[in-house]
Amino acid sequence: DAKTTQPPSMDCAEGRAANLPCNHSTISGNEYVYWYRQIHSQGPQYIIHGLKNNETNEMASLIITEDRKSSTLILPHATLRDTAVYYCIVRVVYNFNKFYFGSGTKLNVKP
Amino acid sequence: GAGVSQSPSNKVTEKGKDVELRCDPISGHTALYWYRQSLGQGLEFLIYFQGNSAPDKSGLPSDRFSAERTGGSVSTLTIQRTQQEDSAVYLCASSSDLLNTEAFFGQGTRLTVV
Repeated sequence: DAKTTQPPSMDCAEGRAANLPCNHSTISGNEYVYWYRQIHSQGPQYIIHGLKNNETNEMASLIITEDRKSSTLILPHATLRDTAVYYCIVRVVYNFNKFYFGSGTKLNVKP
Repeated sequence: GAGVSQSPSNKVTEKGKDVELRCDPISGHTALYWYRQSLGQGLEFLIYFQGNSAPDKSGLPSDRFSAERTGGSVSTLTIQRTQQEDSAVYLCASSSDLLNTEAFFGQGTRLTVV
């Protein structure tokens, strides 16, 4: 699986958009980009995933660059409950594969 | 149940004892993963089951660790002769056999070896 690079921490004001970047410059054509988050003392929670098109769901938007070497997770209106560690993962889409979690980005949403 | 269930939620054991951690995946999910998370660290992959295929054990840290999955459903992670460095949160996840679906995680078992 390709590796990802994320900033270790970011701050965001409550109510503002949080934009979390991820670099995956060695991503290959059959790898999806997944985002998970982990709130303190809980199991990781799925947020969104995509291959090459931008994706949006009720939680967030995922913007993937045209060359697919980087992506941005957008939380449109961050709340204090969005404070968590956010993990960007690339995962080969074939049978018998696993999720590799890196160090993630600790997002601190401040009032 | 609706989600991945793990038991016990907390386990304190004495060094040298064996422990068994249980994971009940979401019904119908063929893939099951075990991860370990030490305090303040990221998730460390341990083992992965997919259907009836041989499991991917590449992440198990030593031969004291083993896991089985009976009947393609419930999984048990066993740690023999526990050591203090085994103290961590052990997380289980499951996913369906569709190739690009997400994995759903349980709340984990917090293991403390004293």
